[in-house]
Amino acid sequence: QSALTQPAFVSGSPGQSITISCTGTSSDVGSYQLVSWYQQHPGKAPKVMIFEVNKRPSGVSNRFSGSKSGNTASLTISGLQAEDEADYYCCSYEGGSTFVFGTGTKVTVL
Amino acid sequence: QVQLQQWGAGLLQPSETLSLTCAVFHESFNTYYWSWIRQPPGEGLEWIGKIGRGASANYKPSLESRVTISVDTSKNQFSLKLNSVTAADTAVYYCARGGGITTSSFDYWGQGTLVTVSS
Repeated sequence: QSALTQPAFVSGSPGQSITISCTGTSSDVGSYQLVSWYQQHPGKAPKVMIFEVNKRPSGVSNRFSGSKSGNTASLTISGLQAEDEADYYCCSYEGGSTFVFGTGTKVTVL
Repeated sequence: QVQLQQWGAGLLQPSETLSLTCAVFHESFNTYYWSWIRQPPGEGLEWIGKIGRGASANYKPSLESRVTISVDTSKNQFSLKLNSVTAADTAVYYCARGGGITTSSFDYWGQGTLVTVSS
């Protein structure tokens, strides 16, 4: 039931693409298509960007995409923009009706 | 549009009980799961637990002995109680919609409540 592992920092220049990884285990990320991703700006509540591994909620830019391979899920932001600078968290169902978040990644736009 | 409004005491002494309530302004209250999530200052998000149809609740195992989540369907509200708090429970606490299997993601959030535990 440990937090999912994410890189602490990821950076990129405007227009570039970046990918944030989220590594879990065969008991959580690897077993369920229930990974979601959240964007959080300072002092604000998180906002869901991806749900069920690769689905985008209405209103979220198609520059955000999600995928999963084995025990690792990924969030890719293409065409990086200044407004994408924020903290990002993954979350996975881990069975037993419980959920676990990732450690969080700070994205910096250079 | 789903709106969540939360409230509760913001300053507690060690060993006291944290109590927060979240009101949901939407007719979807009885068809979704509702969760509590917290974030210590400068740290990441932590799922605490959820409650759903039939008032069945599930909790993060490491908090289960101290946590109770309850629901008042007549008021479209759900509540969090965390007893025997310590400084480690200092965090911004959020209520959110989600935590089911068919609706697993947390798509609507409350404004957050900073709870500080200090003597």
